[in-house]
Amino acid sequence: QQPVQSPQAVILREGEDAVINCSSSKALYSVHWYRQKHGEAPVFLMILLKGGEQKGHDKISASFNEKKQQSSLYLTASQLSYSGTYFCGTVYQGGSEKLVFGKGTKLTVNP
Amino acid sequence: NAGVTQTPKFQVLKTGQSMTLQCAQDMNHEYMSWYRQDPGMGLRLIHYSVGAGITDQGEVPNGYNVSRSTTEDFPLRLLSAAPSQTSVYFCASSFAGGWGNTEAFFGQGTRLTVV
Repeated sequence: QQPVQSPQAVILREGEDAVINCSSSKALYSVHWYRQKHGEAPVFLMILLKGGEQKGHDKISASFNEKKQQSSLYLTASQLSYSGTYFCGTVYQGGSEKLVFGKGTKLTVNP
Repeated sequence: NAGVTQTPKFQVLKTGQSMTLQCAQDMNHEYMSWYRQDPGMGLRLIHYSVGAGITDQGEVPNGYNVSRSTTEDFPLRLLSAAPSQTSVYFCASSFAGGWGNTEAFFGQGTRLTVV
């Protein structure tokens, strides 16, 4: 069962912030975040393990709320290069052999 | 290192034809998976493997077969192609221990059109 991502699409002006959410109905062990440019393969951003830790990658950070089985990706002071589709990938507790992705969030950053 | 290599990059098939999408990695990764990507559907898991000789079905396995005779290779077979299998296919791999702690390394994808 795929995790649920929201929103489906976001349009920003350069310098604005955005939050992308990912939620699961099953208990999670970890959450991955990837960005995909049109016509390319997904590129790894970060992975968060259960424990509620928050990680950062340049001006992109993420959190993992284990109790709510939710993760959020935070993009601050967005740049044109942030445009693309963002996917969360989830690994369920007791099921580390599978990585299941959400449907994606399309982010467009305009000048 | 070449990483994860998928061949071919593009393919057009006629309905009913069979073919094999190749995926090879040179990183000695135990975990490998096949995904298909369709507009608005994200990446859906077709089949996965946790090591040579071990495979299992994902979310959308119908119409596809896999085998894993070596650690390096994980081919995906379309038995009798249908237009509904028109998609972009990605292969991904990860270190031993599962996807829980390590990132997925993706191939560049195979764009398949079934007419």
